[in-house]
Amino acid sequence: SQTIHQWPATLVQPVGSPLSLECTVEGTSNPNLYWYRQAAGRGLQLLFYSVGIGQISSEVPQNLSASRPQDRQFILSSKKLLLSDSGFYLCAWTGTSTGYTFGSGTRLTVV
Amino acid sequence: AQSVSQHNHHVILSEAASLELGCNYSYGGTVNLFWYVQYPGQHLQLLLKYFSGDPLVKGIKGFEAEFIKSKFSFNLRKPSVQWSDTAEYFCAVSEYGNKLVFGAGTILRVKS
Repeated sequence: SQTIHQWPATLVQPVGSPLSLECTVEGTSNPNLYWYRQAAGRGLQLLFYSVGIGQISSEVPQNLSASRPQDRQFILSSKKLLLSDSGFYLCAWTGTSTGYTFGSGTRLTVV
Repeated sequence: AQSVSQHNHHVILSEAASLELGCNYSYGGTVNLFWYVQYPGQHLQLLLKYFSGDPLVKGIKGFEAEFIKSKFSFNLRKPSVQWSDTAEYFCAVSEYGNKLVFGAGTILRVKS
């Protein structure tokens, strides 16, 4: 069966520090992968999506970047975190005949 | 730009009241439509989805939604809410099966 793993679950980082959030999918190949952010009091915002290895589309200009070094691995990064980067980050995947499946999320607090 | 609008950010209802949450989208082509729910402290869960066919879609926990193409709407309904329905509800739209765009969400509080 297909599963999606996202870690860490919570993270507290100081302003100016780097960030790396990882998401992996099991049980499928060539998934479409997505990073969403849910900021406090706001809805879910699509940050990046990827339809294949090395293929990244950015939806919102910001302090973050994404990479897809392997077919089932999607990484969200930042070189220097800002206070405004705080939020709840969700990874998701879709296949050719499956709907969206979301990871458990990472709650990032930048202090 | 593609967008999804949810009309109310906060809704407060008493138990047994009827619920309708509005959702409108701005896409012109073929769309897939979704409602997700996030209970306090839990993950996003799929309530229901529409891909094609009968525009009245039944979901889990007694929820339903109606796709009205002419109005670009996909409103969520439940005849009688329960305290356990307290959660945040998100409408989402995927054009041509591609990336999912979410509305801002509606926080529902059901008073017991």
